[in-house]
Amino acid sequence: ELKVEQNPLFLSMQEGKNYTIYCNYSTTSDRLYWYRQDPGKSLESLFVLLSNGAVKQEGRLMASLDTKARLSTLHITAAVHDLSATYFCAVDRLYSNTGKLIFGQGTTLQVKP
Amino acid sequence: DSGVTQTPKHLITATGQRVTLRCSPRSGDLSVYWYQQSLDQGLQFLIQYYNGEERAKGNILERFSAQQFPDLHSELNLSSLELGDSALYFCASSVAGGTSGANVLTFGAGSRLTVL
Repeated sequence: ELKVEQNPLFLSMQEGKNYTIYCNYSTTSDRLYWYRQDPGKSLESLFVLLSNGAVKQEGRLMASLDTKARLSTLHITAAVHDLSATYFCAVDRLYSNTGKLIFGQGTTLQVKP
Repeated sequence: DSGVTQTPKHLITATGQRVTLRCSPRSGDLSVYWYQQSLDQGLQFLIQYYNGEERAKGNILERFSAQQFPDLHSELNLSSLELGDSALYFCASSVAGGTSGANVLTFGAGSRLTVL
C-alpha cells in the first residue's frame, strides 16, 4: 500500500526564518505534488515534480524531488505571515492507470510576526 | 473559483439519514475524484470515476456510493449516516485518468457534512 508521510506535522516559526518540510513516500513514483490549504478552504496546487532532481520555485517556496530516496522537500525562505497554511504532499503510483493521489497528513505552518 | 463546483456547501443532518453531494467538474475534465477530510483520518481517497466509469476505489464504506453521469457531473451518496461521517467532502477533477505526465487535481470548495 502506498504511504506518504510528512514531517513535521506542525511548524511554528518566526517571520524571516527558513525551514524545510519533508515528504517521504513508500513506493516507486516519479510524480510528486504539493498543495496548500488555508483553514476551511479548498486545496490549491502549488508544484508538480515529474522527475528525479526536479526543482520548482515560486516566491519564497521551493520544492525538490529525489526519487531514489523517495523524498521531496518544500523549503520556505524568509517566511512571511501569508504563508501560514497547511501544506500537503501527494503521490500517485508509477504506471498507475488511475491518477488518484495519495496525500500525506499535512504540515500546518504557523508564521508569527 | 477553481471551476469545480460542489453543492451543498454545508449540510446538517441526523444519524441514520441519507444525503447526496453533487459535483460538477471543471470544463474539459473527464475524471472526478471524491475525498473525505477529517481531523483524525486526514485526507482520504474515496473513489474515482473516469468518463462515466469507476476507475479506482479507496477507503469508501459500503454505506457510501457514487456515480458519474453522462454530462460528467458526479454524485456521492451517503446513507445510514453515523456521527463519524461528519467531515469535509471534497470533489476534484482532472483531464486524464492516469496517463503519463502530470495529473494535477483541481479541487472544489468542499461540502461540510455535520451529522448530529
